[in-house]
Amino acid sequence: GAVVSQHPSRVICKSGTSVKIECRSLDFQATTMFWYRQFPKKSLMLMATSNEGSKATYEQGVEKDKFLINHASLTLSTLTVTSAHPEDSSFYICSASGPLNQPQHFGDGTRLSIL
Amino acid sequence: GQQLNQSPQSMFIQEGEDVSMNCTSSSIFNTWLWYKQDPGEGPVLLIALYKAGELTSNGRLTAQFGITRKDSFLNISASIPSDVGIYFCAGYSGAGSYQLTFGKGTKLSVIP
Repeated sequence: GAVVSQHPSRVICKSGTSVKIECRSLDFQATTMFWYRQFPKKSLMLMATSNEGSKATYEQGVEKDKFLINHASLTLSTLTVTSAHPEDSSFYICSASGPLNQPQHFGDGTRLSIL
Repeated sequence: GQQLNQSPQSMFIQEGEDVSMNCTSSSIFNTWLWYKQDPGEGPVLLIALYKAGELTSNGRLTAQFGITRKDSFLNISASIPSDVGIYFCAGYSGAGSYQLTFGKGTKLSVIP
């Protein structure tokens, strides 16, 4: 099946640090990549959608300047949490999909802990 | 916005028992997906359904796309301890749709 690699799997850093998370589709070209945030015991909350070569579309309430998304190629998208604070601590998951209505395939997530 | 009602919220079953969970929507979906998420990992796709009435199996898992296109169920037969996890239904609601709508998940616990 389709493989999506997300790195790093865990980050612990001090408040004020910027953190970059990478998401790669390893065996297919991802038309669209998605970034989710998941709180404990909750479902996935979509943060933003990105298409290769264009600006990401952010969901309501998600700060564009806080969560920078770059989708430079059909196989790589990055999420940078800028000047992270403890309230940004969460489980961040990326996914990638091919053409419309195809299933999204998820990375293994990144556990971000801001001290 | 779109909502999927997934039930039950949690289940405790004995190893070897069959399990059934379902999702319903007030609006039509044209694709239904079922994912499983283990703690600390991303969701893994179990079954994808594309046509109303479609019944698809993946090992001990069987899922169906409801005729009305507003519901789907997932059955797990002869449960085993590694079936433990959270199961999410998800779907695309319209032609050209690219954003998934997720259910709130069903937490499955299997008692050996």
